[in-house]
Amino acid sequence: AQSVTQLDSQVPVFEEAPVELRCNYSSSVSVYLFWYVQYPNQGLQLLLKYLSGSTLVKGINGFEAEFNKSQTSFHLRKPSVHISDTAEYFCAVSDSYKLSFGAGTTVTVRA
Amino acid sequence: DSGVTQTPKHLITATGQRVTLRCSPRSGDLSVYWYQQSLDQGLQFLIHYYNGEERAKGNILERFSAQQFPDLHSELNLSSLELGDSALYFCASSVEGGRNTEAFFGQGTRLTVV
Repeated sequence: AQSVTQLDSQVPVFEEAPVELRCNYSSSVSVYLFWYVQYPNQGLQLLLKYLSGSTLVKGINGFEAEFNKSQTSFHLRKPSVHISDTAEYFCAVSDSYKLSFGAGTTVTVRA
Repeated sequence: DSGVTQTPKHLITATGQRVTLRCSPRSGDLSVYWYQQSLDQGLQFLIHYYNGEERAKGNILERFSAQQFPDLHSELNLSSLELGDSALYFCASSVEGGRNTEAFFGQGTRLTVV
């Protein structure tokens, strides 16, 4: 079974600073990776996805992620965060007709 | 708005009871997934239906069951409820359900068992 590991459970960051959320995956076959965001008291919203092609994937709200096959990583980045980016972020891998999620990273943006 | 509708939004019930959670997928989506989110277990996959048929099963307890109806809406039935079943239950839908299709999530049903 494929799985993902999110390396940071909590990431505090100041407004307008950059942020990186780390995600490693385990897979011996072709992999499809996703980042979702969950705002307080809401469902999950897709930020971006990697299916194939360019290893740099751009998503919504200024987020981007880089697929690195040699390091089996799919880290999420944003060059300048806003207060409204405070949320929980989930990395996920598509595996046998389901998504398997990481434990999540809570991002808290402070002024 | 993802287009996936879940009802009810909140549910409070007593131990030993049975509840039904309902999900209406996005228009045109054939696949429905159910997930449970709790503080200690994180996001756990429960079950996946595609066009009325069960396609994959995850960590779903025997006390739980689900089905997808001909109009493609789905219901998750939880019975003999225990305190530990308190969680946020998400439904998601996708067009096909293959590995390269993204899933769209509803707002969830927060179940509290007292």
